[in-house]
Amino acid sequence: AQSVTQLGSHVSVSEGALVLLRCNYSSSVPPYLFWYVQYPNQGLQLLLKYTSAATLVKGINGFEAEFKKSETSFHLTKPSAHMSDAAEYFCAVSGRTGGFKTIFGAGTRLFVKA
Amino acid sequence: EAQVTQNPRYLITVTGKKLTVTCSQNMNHEYMSWYRQDPGLGLRQIYYSMNVEVTDKGDVPEGYKVSRKEKRNFPLILESPSPNQTSLYFCASLRGGGTGELFFGEGSRLTVL
Repeated sequence: AQSVTQLGSHVSVSEGALVLLRCNYSSSVPPYLFWYVQYPNQGLQLLLKYTSAATLVKGINGFEAEFKKSETSFHLTKPSAHMSDAAEYFCAVSGRTGGFKTIFGAGTRLFVKA
Repeated sequence: EAQVTQNPRYLITVTGKKLTVTCSQNMNHEYMSWYRQDPGLGLRQIYYSMNVEVTDKGDVPEGYKVSRKEKRNFPLILESPSPNQTSLYFCASLRGGGTGELFFGEGSRLTVL
């Protein structure tokens, strides 16, 4: 079975500060891992994904995430937060078989202070 | 423009009044799915469809029905809505090629009184 745990339902940072959103996963098979972002009143959109190529994955808007198998983690980072990064972020895992069922974490809401 | 379109975006209804939320995608994707989003619970899968011939339950299917008569459409049906179905609903389709990437609609916020 697969599962995702996001540590911290809310994270607050100052503009220009490092953003770190934590995600740990559980999967009995090699996973695909994703970060999705949801802006207010919008659907989710893909931020970045890990599909077994490079372990350091770069996404849109300056975000990146590193797949660490030994720690079963896929934390999302951005060196310098911008006001426009305020949104809810979801970590997700899917298998490579069985219909690609995707399991989502509970989400982390990012607040950016001026 | 590639997109998943849901309607209605907002709906207030009363207990027991049947309703349908439509979903359409223009990317020729085989796989489509419905999720509900509730605070603190993330997104949970209601139903999914591998293709027009295969539809199956997700993790929270009780009280919902779906149909997949054609590839582009995947409506969600609430035969007798109840207040615990008040939620934000998302339809999604899966990009082909085996990457697992989902494309989401903008969501349908449903309130059942």
